[in-house]
Amino acid sequence: GESVGLHLPTLSVQEGDNSIINCAYSNSASDYFIWYKQESGKGPQFIIDIRSNMDKRQGQRVTVLLNKTVKHLSLQIAATQPGDSAVYFCAENRPPGSGYSTLTFGKGTMLLVSP
Amino acid sequence: NAGVTQTPKFQVLKTGQSMTLQCAQDMNHEYMSWYRQDPGMGLRLIHYSVGAGITDQGEVPNGYNVSRSTTEDFPLRLLSAAPSQTSVYFCASSLGQGRTQPQHFGDGTRLSIL
Repeated sequence: GESVGLHLPTLSVQEGDNSIINCAYSNSASDYFIWYKQESGKGPQFIIDIRSNMDKRQGQRVTVLLNKTVKHLSLQIAATQPGDSAVYFCAENRPPGSGYSTLTFGKGTMLLVSP
Repeated sequence: NAGVTQTPKFQVLKTGQSMTLQCAQDMNHEYMSWYRQDPGMGLRLIHYSVGAGITDQGEVPNGYNVSRSTTEDFPLRLLSAAPSQTSVYFCASSLGQGRTQPQHFGDGTRLSIL
């Protein structure tokens, strides 16, 4: 498989535990944030997003928290399952100085779920 | 509904060869982009397009060209392949510029330059 996971921080949890994956972003002007999941050999898959005018958003088994004061984003996965094992990326939308805004991705965290 | 389709899935080139990575989406998305992913690194933006006929450079554009003649297609061209371009390439699309809509990704093209 791909070596996209090399040198990534790794979070190991037991099946059924809650997982928290953290991400620090760099630009205080960023106004939109996304979490992606990437399984081996696949493209990133959208999980959940949040706009900067919110501090919490919930989906199915997932919650994203945004702390703009310290520029921190977290993804909480409830009742983690082996199928959740993957690399998780956060991305921030940075408003442009000029031109168009673009997404900037973090390096990712590998989540390993043991049965 | 196929989403974002990338071809080929795998490719091996010799240094100096040229090739085109294909990307097509059937969601009528205006915004399309190309990223490369290297081991232990996040996705880095190569080029993007906000609509047919409009393209712009991303973070790592050198050695790559793009064009956007239709809404559906956004090919990436390697002009003269170099070993440093060995990577996994992802194409993505979204309804808007990505400010309020998530980008949807293809499954990638794994490219090796010898």
